[in-house]
Amino acid sequence: EAQVTQNPRYLITVTGKKLTVTCSQNMNHEYMSWYRQDPGLGLRQIYYSMNVEVTDKGDVPEGYKVSRKEKRNFPLILESPSPNQTSLYFCASSLMPGITEAFFGQGTRLTVV
Amino acid sequence: AQKVTQAQTEISVVEKEDVTLDCVYETRDTTYYLFWYKQPPSGELVFLIRRNSFDEQNEISGRYSWNFQKSTSSFNFTITASQVVDSAVYFCALIRGYKLSFGAGTTVTVRA
Repeated sequence: EAQVTQNPRYLITVTGKKLTVTCSQNMNHEYMSWYRQDPGLGLRQIYYSMNVEVTDKGDVPEGYKVSRKEKRNFPLILESPSPNQTSLYFCASSLMPGITEAFFGQGTRLTVV
Repeated sequence: AQKVTQAQTEISVVEKEDVTLDCVYETRDTTYYLFWYKQPPSGELVFLIRRNSFDEQNEISGRYSWNFQKSTSSFNFTITASQVVDSAVYFCALIRGYKLSFGAGTTVTVRA
């Protein structure tokens, strides 16, 4: 089954404790991206990757890092999480952005206290 | 910069009523793509439709229909004869190149 898998689904952490949210897709897609969803703001793009070792900033990259060492994985790293990063995070992948639709993971609800 | 505006924050209807969701976008590009996604209460994002900037044909899929008007930069979505299962947040999105911009979403509540 074609899918994008994020882990964990829920996470509560403390300010400053580094964390990684994993994202993996099994569709051999070149394009992957991360979004955060906040009430009244919709989804905002954090980072995206066009292919292995190629990443670029989205609209809200501050406080986040990503890496793309393998085609299937695109982890999101918060080196020093802060409460304003409490949000619902989605990973997505697509074969050709725009020309094909994006497939989204189930979401990760992160709370930073 | 590109921008997507969904002016309606919430819409509440009674079952079997029609509901239209507005989406207005801004972009300077001539080539772009528009999407609608549905987010039911369970939280996942479900793809509904994709349109490119060169295809202004309206589309109907079951009870769903879309009206794309480039002249007014709008890509509106209508649910005909709404059902309780249509209750969800609906997002309009615009992609240009590798950047995807979403609207703030419209919460649709269909009451039995």
